[in-house]
Formats: sequence, C-alpha cells, structure tokens
Amino acid sequence: GENVEQHPSTLSVQEGDSAVIKCTYSDSASNYFPWYKQELGKRPQLIIDIRSNVGEKKDQRIAVTLNKTAKHFSLHITETQPEDSAVYFCAALGGSTGGFKTIFGAGTRLFVKA
Amino acid sequence: KAGVTQTPRYLIKTRGQQVTLSCSPISGHRSVSWYQQTPGQGLQFLFEYFSETQRNKGNFPGRFSGRQFSNSRSEMNVSTLELGDSALYLCASSLDQPQTGELFFGEGSRLTVL
Repeated sequence: GENVEQHPSTLSVQEGDSAVIKCTYSDSASNYFPWYKQELGKRPQLIIDIRSNVGEKKDQRIAVTLNKTAKHFSLHITETQPEDSAVYFCAALGGSTGGFKTIFGAGTRLFVKA
Repeated sequence: KAGVTQTPRYLIKTRGQQVTLSCSPISGHRSVSWYQQTPGQGLQFLFEYFSETQRNKGNFPGRFSGRQFSNSRSEMNVSTLELGDSALYLCASSLDQPQTGELFFGEGSRLTVL
C-alpha cells in the first residue's frame, strides 16, 4: 500500500540555524505534497505545499523541494525561531476521480532552542 | 466561515464499549476524512467519505466504521473498544479537487479507553 517515510523523528536546532526534514513516498501516482505544522494541543495546519510539476517552492523562511524521480521531498526552514517549535508532518496525495487519499509521514518534532 | 467542528472533544470509555464521534465539515466541503493520531505513529488514515459514499479506507479492523450524511456531516464508530484505541481522532474536510488537496482539520476527539 501507499507509504510515506519521514526523517528525522526528532530535530533540535539552535535559534537562527536551519532545519531540514526529509520524506520519501511509495505511490508513484502521488501528485500533491503538503506539509502540516501541529503546535502542542492544536490541530494540524497546512504551511506549504508543492505539486508534482514543480521542483521547488519558497514562502519566506520555508521552502520545499521535490524530486519525483527519486520520490523524495524535503522541507527547509531557515533562520529558525522558537515559535517554529512544533511537530511537522509531510504528506502525499494520490488517487483519481474515484477518491483521493492523503497519507502522512510519522512526523518530526522540531525543537528550536533560544 | 466556521471551521471543522468535532464532538465530543474528550471522552472516556471502558473496554468492550462502543463510541460514536461526530464531525461537521466546513460549509461547501463534501469530502471528509478521518485520522487516528497516536504518539510516534503520526496520522493514520481511517477512511474518507464523499457524497455519503466511502471512497477510501485505511488498514483498520472492521470495528472502525463511519458514515456520511446528506449534509456532509460525518460520524465514525468504534465498537468493542480496546485499550489500544486510545488516541486523538481527527476529522478533516476538503474541497476534493485534484489540484489542491488541502485538508482542514478539526480540533479532534480525544478518546481514552480504560
């Protein structure tokens, strides 16, 4: 079945440093790759996404890259701040008009030390 | 526009009992997905409904079931509860478009099985 692997499970960085989270997916039909941020006690919320026809996308301090050939995609956060501390989930959406299914990675807990 | 609403927010059950959780999607969203969230396991896909039809199902036992009503509201049911069913159950709604699959999550229903 479809699977998304995410690494690392925990990441600790110093404020101002960069953080990188990597994911791989198994379903070659996947065409949409969102990233969700879940702060403690809150619901997951979309922070950035990328579609299969794009290799890279940036939004201020965050960026996502996609390598469809290798089935890899990554989240990059630059100039990290304490408020970036949260759990980050990568996901892959595949399917057809018969129904779409978003499969999530296991999550990365990011700690940003002030 | 109101967000995704889940009820109840917290509940405690004992082994062997059954539970029903409710989800009201964002107005206009016809796709509703359910996820189980446990520490270290991320977001595990349970099922997805669209226009009262289950289109996708995850790898959960038949004790987990769901349905969707004509107004897009959805319920999920877990019968014969086990200790391992203790988790946060998240509902998410979406517009169900292939180009963008952003999920809008509710705050979840936290189930504790004693």
